[in-house]
Amino acid sequence: GEDVEQSLFLSVREGDSSVINCTYTDSSSTYLYWYKQEPGAGLQLLTYIFSNMDMKQDQRLTVLLNKKDKHLSLRIADTQTGDSAIYFCAESPASGGSYIPTFGRGTSLIVHP
Amino acid sequence: NAGVTQTPKFQVLKTGQSMTLQCAQDMNHNSMYWYRQDPGMGLRLIYYSASEGTTDKGEVPNGYNVSRLNKREFSLRLESAAPSQTSVYFCATGPRDRGIYEQFFGPGTRLTVL
Repeated sequence: GEDVEQSLFLSVREGDSSVINCTYTDSSSTYLYWYKQEPGAGLQLLTYIFSNMDMKQDQRLTVLLNKKDKHLSLRIADTQTGDSAIYFCAESPASGGSYIPTFGRGTSLIVHP
Repeated sequence: NAGVTQTPKFQVLKTGQSMTLQCAQDMNHNSMYWYRQDPGMGLRLIYYSASEGTTDKGEVPNGYNVSRLNKREFSLRLESAAPSQTSVYFCATGPRDRGIYEQFFGPGTRLTVL
């Protein structure tokens, strides 16, 4: 089955770039997601990438995928205090098996002035 | 459109008491899910319903039951609450299609069992 791993904490200074990392184990074609959870709220999809892509950029967010190492990263440029949240990596198979996403444990991003 | 709503937002129970967590969606999605979130454990799937009339166990179903009342509503019941069930519970929905599979989450129910 799938397994998704991420580090639990990241602390950055406002204005710096943040890089949140994730590794996954599913070897088939898969969708990989980044969700954001703000304090006291549910998760919200930030962005996603298909496993045949290397990179996806959306405004301040850049997703990089290293298929060989099964490593996914989320880079947030010019990090702001409003980016403080828990970020979850998740994956779901594109075909076959269960379509239900498997979530990592979440990375708490703390942005300090 | 409210999206996904959950009631109650907060609840305190004593060990052995029962309660039902309610979830409703107005997104016309087929699939609905119940997760629990514990510090350092991420999200763990309790039960899910792929479509109206069906329910299946997830990763941690023990101590819980569910009812898919209709397409809009999916409830989670704790028959005899235990302190180990202290957690934040999230309901989620999603279209039952292959490909990009975005899930939409409710705001959560924070449950404490004393």
